[in-house]
Amino acid sequence: DSGVTQTPKHLITATGQRVTLRCSPRSGDLSVYWYQQSLDQGLQFLIQYYNGEERAKGNILERFSAQQFPDLHSELNLSSLELGDSALYFCASSVAGGGRVEQYFGPGTRLTVT
Amino acid sequence: AQSVTQLGSHVSVSEGALVLLRCNYSSSVPPYLFWYVQYPNQGLQLLLKYTSAATLVKGINGFEAEFKKSETSFHLTKPSAHMSDAAEYFCAVSEITGAAGNKLTFGGGTRVLVKP
Repeated sequence: DSGVTQTPKHLITATGQRVTLRCSPRSGDLSVYWYQQSLDQGLQFLIQYYNGEERAKGNILERFSAQQFPDLHSELNLSSLELGDSALYFCASSVAGGGRVEQYFGPGTRLTVT
Repeated sequence: AQSVTQLGSHVSVSEGALVLLRCNYSSSVPPYLFWYVQYPNQGLQLLLKYTSAATLVKGINGFEAEFKKSETSFHLTKPSAHMSDAAEYFCAVSEITGAAGNKLTFGGGTRVLVKP
């Protein structure tokens, strides 16, 4: 158990819908990262927040957005869902925002878009 | 941008045999490298990390990896495979982005099958 929690574990929804994935970092960690794992793209970095501020952005679609709240939990919002958005979404956390530090991953949320 | 290549998407080993998973990286700066393991239906667990100290790094569950700058490699080994080692393994490089961010760039992963 890494100490990073994600809810829900599974999510099934229809095309065009909007969903919110939630992540709570390890106690003491200020950075939260979101990654997408799919069969065709592998593990891809989406976005990083540090203490409420966006710090880094990857190949995140405009239909996707994220935020980190004052209690440090983070939410990833996915809208106008398409079949290709079906994937495993991981949240990770680390103590620091910059530098090259190890990240600790949550169990993931499996999103299925039908 | 940095990149990671894992040679072999699938590896099959016999129980008790050597496990060798290959990882090559591309980086314009001295890299920080990681190996993660993903068991079925679980998240990624950190196995070990290289952060420019000793070139031979020991991790959990009997795994170790050797950093070779001349070969731009960070291969993962375990002397004797156990059935519980069946999982997918990911090599990753840490990259600083922008002024104060960072991200992990992952290889494609290697799925290990352990035969009894």
